[in-house]
Amino acid sequence: EVQLVQSGAEVKQPGQSLKISCEVSGYSFSTYWIAWVRQMPGKGLEWVGTIYPGDSDTRYSPSFQGQVTISADKSISTASLQWSSLKASDTALYYCARGLNSGRLFDYWGQGTLVTVSS
Amino acid sequence: EIVLTQSPGTLSLSPGESATLSCRASQTVSISYLAWYQQKPGQAPRLLIYGASTRATGIPDRFSGSGSGTDFTLTVSRLEPEDFADYYCQQYGSSLPTFGGGTKVEIK
Repeated sequence: EVQLVQSGAEVKQPGQSLKISCEVSGYSFSTYWIAWVRQMPGKGLEWVGTIYPGDSDTRYSPSFQGQVTISADKSISTASLQWSSLKASDTALYYCARGLNSGRLFDYWGQGTLVTVSS
Repeated sequence: EIVLTQSPGTLSLSPGESATLSCRASQTVSISYLAWYQQKPGQAPRLLIYGASTRATGIPDRFSGSGSGTDFTLTVSRLEPEDFADYYCQQYGSSLPTFGGGTKVEIK
């Protein structure tokens, strides 16, 4: 059974750093893309970026390029999304998802990680 | 960037009725790389349809997708209580995948 299990909710202050994770099981981690998708409170879905764990090929949405970093650790079948300096506008629910079609179609999703940035 | 516009914003229907959701793209979606997702409150999205008309694994046949080019439709026939949810279209034919703003299907 394919599963993507994300790390728990986070509450941070502006300017702090953060790394959230997505551990996968039930398939070969290295051979499928992993994407991150943002959902701001009460809003729709936005693609953040995608990584291919097999060779760490990473693509970002222009809206998120330079704002976040996506990484993957094959040894623990885990992908991560990180910020070096959070802003209040980063407050959102972040989903990881398995990606098909060069990581642009999402067939299995994690349960989401709520990130709250507030002073 | 391909902008997807979904209509209507909200659809109020009764169980047993059919729902027709529209997704219009600002430019042609290549190879009909158009997907539909369902999202219920407090849950992650679920892939329903890809390639404009192919149902994902385990999706009931009351869900059907159609369309090509810039105009796509999701039809849910004989609405079941569990079908009342938010629905998003998404194009994955360009290097920048984008989602529509969503349609809420609510119980009338």
